[in-house]
Amino acid sequence: GAGVSQSPSNKVTEKGKDVELRCDPISGHTALYWYRQSLGQGLEFLIYFQGNSAPDKSGLPSDRFSAERTGGSVSTLTIQRTQQEDSAVYLCASSLASGSGAQYFGPGTRLLVL
Amino acid sequence: GESVGLHLPTLSVQEGDNSIINCAYSNSASDYFIWYKQESGKGPQFIIDIRSNMDKRQGQRVTVLLNKTVKHLSLQIAATQPGDSAVYFCAENRRAAGNKLTFGGGTRVLVKP
Repeated sequence: GAGVSQSPSNKVTEKGKDVELRCDPISGHTALYWYRQSLGQGLEFLIYFQGNSAPDKSGLPSDRFSAERTGGSVSTLTIQRTQQEDSAVYLCASSLASGSGAQYFGPGTRLLVL
Repeated sequence: GESVGLHLPTLSVQEGDNSIINCAYSNSASDYFIWYKQESGKGPQFIIDIRSNMDKRQGQRVTVLLNKTVKHLSLQIAATQPGDSAVYFCAENRRAAGNKLTFGGGTRVLVKP
């Protein structure tokens, strides 16, 4: 079946602009996660949605970052007033609530802030 | 603090040989351990997971071993192929922490022809 999809695949923006990144999770997956990956680095947790519960925002690096998940499916990660240090690959993943919690990742959005 | 880490940043393997990727963890409360493969320009791909009450689990050409005594996890790839060249991450999951995976830093596997 269809996997996790993300758009855009690449985004170049100017410092100070706002950007929106979109994630479509696997159908039926109740949990959705956003991570950030800098070049050659591991994955940094940003935010986690589980069903109708309040999201876990403990990984968001600043108040310029926010995310929402509408209708328990599609999610949008918004970065306001982008900075050069925001340049990274932003990865979305989804999972079932049961089992190992194994997360299935999308291809990522490569963000470059000039 | 809690951490999941890897011993070797880069592993060069001859095609056809077996690969062993190691990972150390510090949190005894982990419920599951998961291995991911990430090829260049792609998102991490789920390979295999193992529950914390197991010692070994096998998949297609892969075996994960868990040694809880020394808090060590390994991924063995049999008959390594060029397509196995990638960065491999281990991750731990504690259900009590809300299913947020904690990832290790990654090991790059280079398969030599």
